[in-house]
Amino acid sequence: ETGVTQSPTHLIKTRGQQVTLRCSSQSGHNTVSWYQQALGQGPQFIFQYYREEENGRGNFPPRFSGLQFPNYSSELNVNALELDDSALYLCASSLFRGNNYGYTFGSGTRLTVV
Amino acid sequence: AQSVTQLDSQVPVFEEAPVELRCNYSSSVSVYLFWYVQYPNQGLQLLLKYLSGSTLVESINGFEAEFNKSQTSFHLRKPSVHISDTAEYFCAVRTPYTSGNTPLVFGKGTRLSVIA
Repeated sequence: ETGVTQSPTHLIKTRGQQVTLRCSSQSGHNTVSWYQQALGQGPQFIFQYYREEENGRGNFPPRFSGLQFPNYSSELNVNALELDDSALYLCASSLFRGNNYGYTFGSGTRLTVV
Repeated sequence: AQSVTQLDSQVPVFEEAPVELRCNYSSSVSVYLFWYVQYPNQGLQLLLKYLSGSTLVESINGFEAEFNKSQTSFHLRKPSVHISDTAEYFCAVRTPYTSGNTPLVFGKGTRLSVIA
């Protein structure tokens, strides 16, 4: 059983640029959630994808968008990067309507915006 | 909406001493409760969870947490810590799903530092 894989592990971008982060879900999972963890803070829910559609969203602006692919992998896209977007971005996969505790997290992508 | 308060941002403790990491939550509906651990430069690992039933839940590495509904708390305890327990610990809640998976709401974390 493979876990959740995220790429890249680290990334440095300039303010105003766009970035794409990638996530491969755990085998058998069909739902992907993205969280933003700023330095010294707990993770905050960005959005969730199920059946290739957004299925819930936290308090994040539209420049945060995502995709889910038929193999359940996912991308997080952030446009017009701001300095405050610097954070660890965590992907979590789960089974829709499955185990209530069945979130498996990846190791994250550390994004630095300069 | 739910919220989670972790009352201590940092907890230093000597090796083999007991530790308690405090967590209080706020919710107008019933919730599921979780503790996650994050080691340096890693993602989150589930430590233990409370869904229903016995209010005392245990992990395989000696941690335990007790759900107290009247106090709206879910404190994490370990009777004797090891150096390897040094990490960031996050308390989280989520509501039982009705039409889908509900997101986790996390506290700000408690950094446990075990001193030799």
